[in-house]
Amino acid sequence: GAGVSQTPSNKVTEKGKYVELRCDPISGHTALYWYRQSLGQGPEFLIYFQGTGAADDSGLPNDRFFAVRPEGSVSTLKIQRTERGDSAVYLCASSLNPNYNEQFFGPGTRLTVL
Amino acid sequence: AQRVTQPEKLLSVFKGAPVELKCNYSYSGSPELFWYVQYSRQRLQLLLRHISRESIKGFTADLNKGETSFHLKKPFAQEEDSAMYYCALSGIGGNQFYFGTGTSLTVIP
Repeated sequence: GAGVSQTPSNKVTEKGKYVELRCDPISGHTALYWYRQSLGQGPEFLIYFQGTGAADDSGLPNDRFFAVRPEGSVSTLKIQRTERGDSAVYLCASSLNPNYNEQFFGPGTRLTVL
Repeated sequence: AQRVTQPEKLLSVFKGAPVELKCNYSYSGSPELFWYVQYSRQRLQLLLRHISRESIKGFTADLNKGETSFHLKKPFAQEEDSAMYYCALSGIGGNQFYFGTGTSLTVIP
């Protein structure tokens, strides 16, 4: 079956613009995670969804970042007023349920803010 | 504070030699520990988790609660083991995952 997919694979934008990054999890996976990976670093937790609700958004760096998962499947990470420091690879992962901790990762979206 | 430390950013070993990738953690509760691997041009994937007590691709990792370590070991490294390895920690229930900064392993033919 299909794995986790993310679109776009690359996004270049200008400082101050708004961007949306999309994640399609594996069908039936109730848990969905967003991470940010800067150069030379490991993935940094941003937000975790269980179904439609954000169960833990403590990793979102500030209020410019927001994520939704309205139907409990596809999720969108939204970044307002982008800054150069937002440049990173944004990873999405899903798992069957939060107590089954193997996460399946997408290929990531590389965001570049000029 | 929860933290995962991988002290080696780069590690090179010869084919057939033993390899150990170090991971230390700090966590206030009872964590679950994982090793994830990323091969060139592939996505991040689970290698093994401590509760499974498995050997995957010849790799093993033992959770040492006294030393708060979860080192990854393989007795005889192979060229196909060359990859980026990340140690990760989650609390019970899997709300958050904390990843280390990763170790890039190169196995020299």
